[in-house]
Amino acid sequence: DTAVSQTPKYLVTQMGNDKSIKCEQNLGHDTMYWYKQDSKKFLKIMFSYNNKELIINETVPNRFSPKSPDKAHLNLHINSLELGDSAVYFCASSQDSNTEAFFGQGTRLTVV
Amino acid sequence: GENVEQHPSTLSVQEGDSAVIKCTYSDSASNYFPWYKQELGKRPQLIIDIRSNVGEKKDQRIAVTLNKTAKHFSLHITETQPEDSAVYFCAVLPYGNKLVFGAGTILRVKS
Repeated sequence: DTAVSQTPKYLVTQMGNDKSIKCEQNLGHDTMYWYKQDSKKFLKIMFSYNNKELIINETVPNRFSPKSPDKAHLNLHINSLELGDSAVYFCASSQDSNTEAFFGQGTRLTVV
Repeated sequence: GENVEQHPSTLSVQEGDSAVIKCTYSDSASNYFPWYKQELGKRPQLIIDIRSNVGEKKDQRIAVTLNKTAKHFSLHITETQPEDSAVYFCAVLPYGNKLVFGAGTILRVKS
């Protein structure tokens, strides 16, 4: 069974479009995250949700909005996509702040 | 906020040799220090972690050492094998419930 799953795995879209990436975890974890990995492999946190409450909101453009319908899901919605949004986006979850973060398989977003 | 520096950015070793990757951090309140391995096209996965009340931890060929006074910790891989080739990330958990990652080290093990 996949612990953290995100869909789609690949996403190619045109500039200006709106898209969503879905993430689900079946580990019963309280905290979920979204990370962006750019072409230089640098992993940067975008959002963190704990028990459906946004606890960290990094300085990302407000075109990015996380949506958490329940504790097991944290979706990422992106409006008005730009070329610079092209990257691999990873969802992750952890039981609490002091334990291992489990990553999804990543979504490679390409904006053309 | 927390600042994590990781060195080197790339590392090439001969199969069987040891590899060492070092990270320094700035927030003395940080208390959890994991290492992740990311193979090409795959997700990052935890390989070892250490908490601030421990100075060293070992798991078969990998070990992590922590120096809280100097605010640095290192990953040691002994008897490297080709399958150890990957990108390795250190991370730090400062106050604020957020893992901060280093920039990553590309390890190449030559056979």
